[in-house]
Amino acid sequence: AQSVTQPDIHITVSEGASLELRCNYSYGATPYLFWYVQSPGQGLQLLLKYFSGDTLVQGIKGFEAEFKRSQSSFNLRKPSVHWSDAAEYFCAVGISGGSYIPTFGRGTSLIVHP
Amino acid sequence: DGGITQSPKYLFRKEGQNVTLSCEQNLNHDAMYWYRQDPGQGLRLIYYSQIVNDFQKGDIAEGYSVSREKKESFPLTVTSAQKNPTAFYLCASSTDRGKNQPQHFGDGTRLSIL
Repeated sequence: AQSVTQPDIHITVSEGASLELRCNYSYGATPYLFWYVQSPGQGLQLLLKYFSGDTLVQGIKGFEAEFKRSQSSFNLRKPSVHWSDAAEYFCAVGISGGSYIPTFGRGTSLIVHP
Repeated sequence: DGGITQSPKYLFRKEGQNVTLSCEQNLNHDAMYWYRQDPGQGLRLIYYSQIVNDFQKGDIAEGYSVSREKKESFPLTVTSAQKNPTAFYLCASSTDRGKNQPQHFGDGTRLSIL
């Protein structure tokens, strides 16, 4: 079965600073990868997804993520963080075959200081 | 606009009571899911349905029940057998029977014990 790890429970950055949120997965083949964002008291919103092709994926709100097969990683990045980016971020991994149900990481809470 | 509607936003359960959480989607999606979210634990899958009149247990189905009589509706009942129901419940849907497609989420229902 696949698994996904988000090593950082909390990340604190200053507004305007760059951001990188880590995501590592465990799966034998090429996975389907997703990043979602959740504002307090709301549902999750898709930021970006990777299925195949170019390993650098652009998403909404100025986010991007890079798939690195050798490191089994799919880290989320943003060059300059805004206060409105403060939220919970979830990485998810899906596989080909079986139930196709994605597995979610435990999330990383982003705190933005002014 | 198409989307997923969860109701109510807040729900209180008395001891020994069953309560039902509503989830309706007008996205014409085949697959629907219920997740439970507790602080620091990410999303845990309760039940999912990839087609009308069929559903499968997820990782934490005990104490919960669902039905899928219509494509657009996937209600979740939290039964009295669920001894720790206090949590944030999220409903989601996706296309193509969920085959590695991104999920669209509702805004959640927060369930508490009276």
